[in-house]
Amino acid sequence: DTEVTQTPKHLVMGMTNKKSLKCEQHMGHRAMYWYKQKAKKPPELMFVYSYEKLSINESVPSRFSPECPNSSLLNLHLHALQPEDSALYLCASSLKWGRELFFGEGSRLTVL
Amino acid sequence: AQSVTQLDSQVPVFEEAPVELRCNYSSSVSVYLFWYVQYPNQGLQLLLKYLSGSTLVESINGFEAEFNKSQTSFHLRKPSVHISDTAEYFCAVSESGGGADGLTFGKGTHLIIQP
Repeated sequence: DTEVTQTPKHLVMGMTNKKSLKCEQHMGHRAMYWYKQKAKKPPELMFVYSYEKLSINESVPSRFSPECPNSSLLNLHLHALQPEDSALYLCASSLKWGRELFFGEGSRLTVL
Repeated sequence: AQSVTQLDSQVPVFEEAPVELRCNYSSSVSVYLFWYVQYPNQGLQLLLKYLSGSTLVESINGFEAEFNKSQTSFHLRKPSVHISDTAEYFCAVSESGGGADGLTFGKGTHLIIQP
């Protein structure tokens, strides 16, 4: 099983809403990532969890809050977002830091 | 720290013609190299990777890339493209010893296949 599953595929939210993006992998990978991707741009790293501990936070605003409940699950909690936060949010996992990433299909977020 | 340069933002090619997408990297240490493909409204899929060993790596759908250490390149090639190859292609590099930067992506090349 080489799959990373993300839900929901599409999300529309207002600036006062609270929502969450979810990600699951069953490859036994111990590193999990959140990326943000704008149109026609490469993915930008947001957060890295290594062995369920937050190891990297790329100066992401606090309105994005990651959570890693266990080694297979990764959440991204969203609150008080801005329209410029509209983007494709990608979850990825890897065997370890620096090795190939396996991406999910992404969650397309629109903030109104 | 490493960096990746994809020299072409867009490459138009006729169907069944050969194509080469260029990727150059910069690093002071040994590296891993990757090519990812992204179809519209989808995530990135790993196309092929170089970790060590043979410098020529191949994918299951006819793409190949060659690691050239002296030219610090990892160009992607396909001898005959199909309409379904239309996508965004990203080259990525990481330090094989696990450097602080993890994977660094290039800006991407949009491959456009013309009938």
